[in-house]
This record gives sequence, C-alpha cells and structure tokens, in this order.
Amino acid sequence: DAGVIQSPRHEVTEMGQEVTLRCKPISGHNSLFWYRQTMMRGLELLIYFNNNVPIDDSGMPEDRFSAKMPNASFSTLKIQPSEPRDSAVYFCASSLNENQPQHFGDGTRLSIL
Amino acid sequence: EDQVTQSPEALRLQEGESSSLNCSYTVSGLRGLFWYRQDPGKGPEFLFTLYSAGEEKEKERLKATLTKKESFLHITAPKPEDSATYLCAVQPSSGNTPLVFGKGTRLSVIA
Repeated sequence: DAGVIQSPRHEVTEMGQEVTLRCKPISGHNSLFWYRQTMMRGLELLIYFNNNVPIDDSGMPEDRFSAKMPNASFSTLKIQPSEPRDSAVYFCASSLNENQPQHFGDGTRLSIL
Repeated sequence: EDQVTQSPEALRLQEGESSSLNCSYTVSGLRGLFWYRQDPGKGPEFLFTLYSAGEEKEKERLKATLTKKESFLHITAPKPEDSATYLCAVQPSSGNTPLVFGKGTRLSVIA
C-alpha cells in the first residue's frame, strides 16, 4: 500500500524565494496534517484539513505561510518569501479522520540560505 | 495549555537491558495517547493508541501502559534495531488540536 508521499525530499533555496512543498495523502483518508519539526521545538502542527476544508491554522507561523488542499489527493504548503528561520523538516500526515492514528510521510528537509 | 513531557531525552542501553520511557501529560481531557517511532530521515511510524487508564498494548518487545497522568513504553530485552526516537502524543478531548507531541526520547541500543 502506498503511504503518504511528499515532494521534494530536500530543498535548498535562497532567502526571499518562494517554496512549495507537496503532499499526496493515503487514498481514502479524510484528514490531512502539516507539521514542522526542529530540534528546539520538536513536532509542531501547522494546519490540518478535514474533507479538504482547513479546520485549524493557528499553528501557521505568519502570513508568509499558506496551505491548500484543492482535492482529496493533493495538498501544498507554500512559504513566500522564505527566511532562514524557516529551515526545518516539514511533514505531511493523513488519517481516516481526525481521531484516528496519523500516518506520516518521510518529510521535506528545507534549508533556506 | 496542553503539554507533553518525555523523559529521559536520551537513553543508551546494552542489548538485552530492559528499560522504560516516560511520557507525562497535562490536558483538560484525554481522548487518546499515541506512541510513535521515528528513524533518522524518516517520518514518525505509528505504534500504539491508548484510551483509558489501566490500558496496555504490546507489540514484539514493546509494551505501552497508561495512567491518568503518564504513559510508559517498556522495552524488554532490546535489540540494536530498536534504536530510534520514540515520540508520545496526546489528543485532547476539547479544542481543535488533534495531537500534541512531546519532544521524544532518543534510544540507542548497543550490541
């Protein structure tokens, strides 16, 4: 069975550039989550969707971050403009619903120079 | 504020040396507690869900237990392949946040 697929696996870009991270959830899963992981703060929830609708985006750091889920099989997390402090590993996860175990992709390691 | 604290931050064991990892939590109400395993360069992998105090779940050399204030992940006779970071997360019964994660325990098992 295909798990959660994220792309790219690694991204290195310069400060000020736009960054787009992509996620394909597990087929049939109705909830999708975006997380950021750093050594200092651990795993932090940025935003999550139920049935393609954003439910809670209180974890999004600031207006430079935006997320969309145009259909049940695709989501994007965009950072514009990017800053060095955005460097982290970004994970996407999906679950049958928000109360079921979440299944994670292998993440995108983002480095902003 | 919902909080999850894991201890120790890092643990080094000899192969076969059993031990326990701790996850302490404060939430207004607990819907569920989740354990995950994370290998370097990978996403967290789901292990267990516990819902009520007294509940236990087992998988191979791992056993998770739950009380009203904490959970333990017991590792019996660990092997080097058990080396990973183990993450604990709680799901509050109120509010919009599905999971609140602890920072994890880095386990190293030496042959």
